[in-house]
Amino acid sequence: EVQLVESGGVVVQPGGSLRLSCAASGFTFDDYAMHWVRQAPGKGLEWVSLISWDGGSTYYADSVKGRFTISRDNSKNSLYLQMNSLRAEDTALYYCAKDIDYGGNAGFDLWGRGTLVTVSS
Amino acid sequence: DIQLTQSPSFLSASVGDRVTITCRASQGISSYLAWYQQKPGKAPKLLIYAASTLQSGVPSRFSGSGSGTEFTLTISSLQPEDFATYYCQQLNSYRFTFGPGTKVDIK
Repeated sequence: EVQLVESGGVVVQPGGSLRLSCAASGFTFDDYAMHWVRQAPGKGLEWVSLISWDGGSTYYADSVKGRFTISRDNSKNSLYLQMNSLRAEDTALYYCAKDIDYGGNAGFDLWGRGTLVTVSS
Repeated sequence: DIQLTQSPSFLSASVGDRVTITCRASQGISSYLAWYQQKPGKAPKLLIYAASTLQSGVPSRFSGSGSGTEFTLTISSLQPEDFATYYCQQLNSYRFTFGPGTKVDIK
């Protein structure tokens, strides 16, 4: 089955760290760029980060640049998001999404169900 | 960063209606625009990419048009399963942004 499954979301204190994972199956993972997108409760979608098919290029939203790091392990069909210096405004459902293309700027054609990150003391 | 606006932000319509949603970009983005549908509690679903290319498996009542700074998503005959929130997204710069969304509700 073609799917993405996120994990790692928990309640964490402000200033804390967290690593999200996304397990891919049913498609050739290393043929495609991958993204993280988040959605705060009751709000719209916010793109967070992109990694190219080979991990050679990464991009970030200004709101997370310098605090979050995207990575991938193509041997494990897995995508990751290391989140440091977490803030209350990082509270959201985090989605892993597959790009249509290897470069990362075509559109997101496969999404996971999301993993919830709550930043609260 | 490129900003996107959508209009209307809320739309009340009946089954069978033709519905048009507009997305405007703060600067030209060629055809690097996608449209998504999101239902409550679900992940977004890609409808249209490259401004006018219908994603595989999406019904032909959905269509997209436009280039540069103004884009439209049209649903030719609204069906019960189409009541949802619709988002546009620009992919022209590597700081992808989504529009604020248009909620389509039952009249």
